[in-house]
Amino acid sequence: GQNIDQPTEMTATEGAIVQINCTYQTSGFNGLFWYQQHAGEAPTFLSYNVLDGLEEKGRFSSFLSRSKGYSYLLLKELQMKDSASYLCAVLNDYKLSFGAGTTVTVRA
Amino acid sequence: DTGVSQDPRHKITKRGQNVTFRCDPISEHNRLYWYRQTLGQGPEFLTYFQNEAQLEKSRLLSDRFSAERPKGSFSTLEIQRTEQGDSAMYLCASSLGTPYNEQFFGPGTRLTVL
Repeated sequence: GQNIDQPTEMTATEGAIVQINCTYQTSGFNGLFWYQQHAGEAPTFLSYNVLDGLEEKGRFSSFLSRSKGYSYLLLKELQMKDSASYLCAVLNDYKLSFGAGTTVTVRA
Repeated sequence: DTGVSQDPRHKITKRGQNVTFRCDPISEHNRLYWYRQTLGQGPEFLTYFQNEAQLEKSRLLSDRFSAERPKGSFSTLEIQRTEQGDSAMYLCASSLGTPYNEQFFGPGTRLTVL
């Protein structure tokens, strides 16, 4: 089975940094994705990790430790438009298994 | 806009009616997926096509659900005899499979069963 856990909600101030953790136990692993989803919209791709370590992409970075079944998404210099749900998803062959998502609220 | 389109965007129907949704993937993508998302949850995998072949169907997909991709391009998802529990957002995604099978999602069809 698949078990993917992430916090339900996080709140942070504009300009700050927020780290969203994701732990997973899955029957297979071909990589881990982070998606952003604004209310009522489709998930959009943020990052992909398949090897251990940090991937940096502008204000967003993602880290993976396969031995620990752990990833995090780091959002820097938060902007109001970053208020959204962030979904951790594990790829097993062709199938994505998603966590329930973390709702991030950015306050002025 | 990811390039994946879905129609309709919203559908309200009465319990017991049949509904059909359409997905048009990115044209060069040979892989197509359907997911279902309910409020406060992540998307759940329903089914997967490679070209026109349906290669996997989740146990979540009861006999009332059927999906097709007749020419390996667009896909349809039909729900027969809808139930209130079918109310959800139905998301379609497509991918090339390489280099890491990034899936591009459409805007979804929100189904409300009264």
